[in-house]
Amino acid sequence: DGGITQSPKYLFRKEGQNVTLSCEQNLNHDAMYWYRQDPGQGLRLIYYSQIVNDFQKGDIAEGYSVSREKKESFPLTVTSAQKNPTAFYLCASSDRALSGYEQYFGPGTRLTVT
Amino acid sequence: AQRVTQPEKLLSVFKGAPVELKCNYSYSGSPELFWYVQYSRQRLQLLLRHISRESIKGFTADLNKGETSFHLKKPFAQEEDSAMYYCALKETSGSRLTFGEGTQLTVNP
Repeated sequence: DGGITQSPKYLFRKEGQNVTLSCEQNLNHDAMYWYRQDPGQGLRLIYYSQIVNDFQKGDIAEGYSVSREKKESFPLTVTSAQKNPTAFYLCASSDRALSGYEQYFGPGTRLTVT
Repeated sequence: AQRVTQPEKLLSVFKGAPVELKCNYSYSGSPELFWYVQYSRQRLQLLLRHISRESIKGFTADLNKGETSFHLKKPFAQEEDSAMYYCALKETSGSRLTFGEGTQLTVNP
């Protein structure tokens, strides 16, 4: 499986610590997205970026931050301000010209904060 | 604001039976609708999109603007169809998707 990678697969942190989740893609896609997946709540959009050096808040951005310095990379930082950070995080990418808005997903990172 | 609703969190059918996964949406513009599927231990992936009007793995979905629905149907379910299914809506402009809560489909032998 190439395309879009997320690391690590599992991540454990103590409460009060910031943690950064990695997302890399080699699909040459312009747009990238971060979702949070919780049982019974579907996928909720945290942040998205439609082009390098630009990003927008999604529906649940509070307590999270992102950067998009390179086309291939879109790291997500879960800050200590996020009240309920334990979740499964999915990264995705898309490109209107290359994939017609189809989003390609990574394998996910499961974050546990205790 | 746009919203996608999947009223059934769990759906269980027997092999060979018809299956319908419901999806309703609210959006004031002209939406694009998608179905994504996540099989056990696999990545979330696109199953089909309404503009393609195609059948994928025997599944079809018709956009009904009058009822604001995009239900996913298959006449004869197979055990390998067991998965989590998400309905998603894309706004007229931009690329972001709004997902429903998901329906876990189990096809029993």
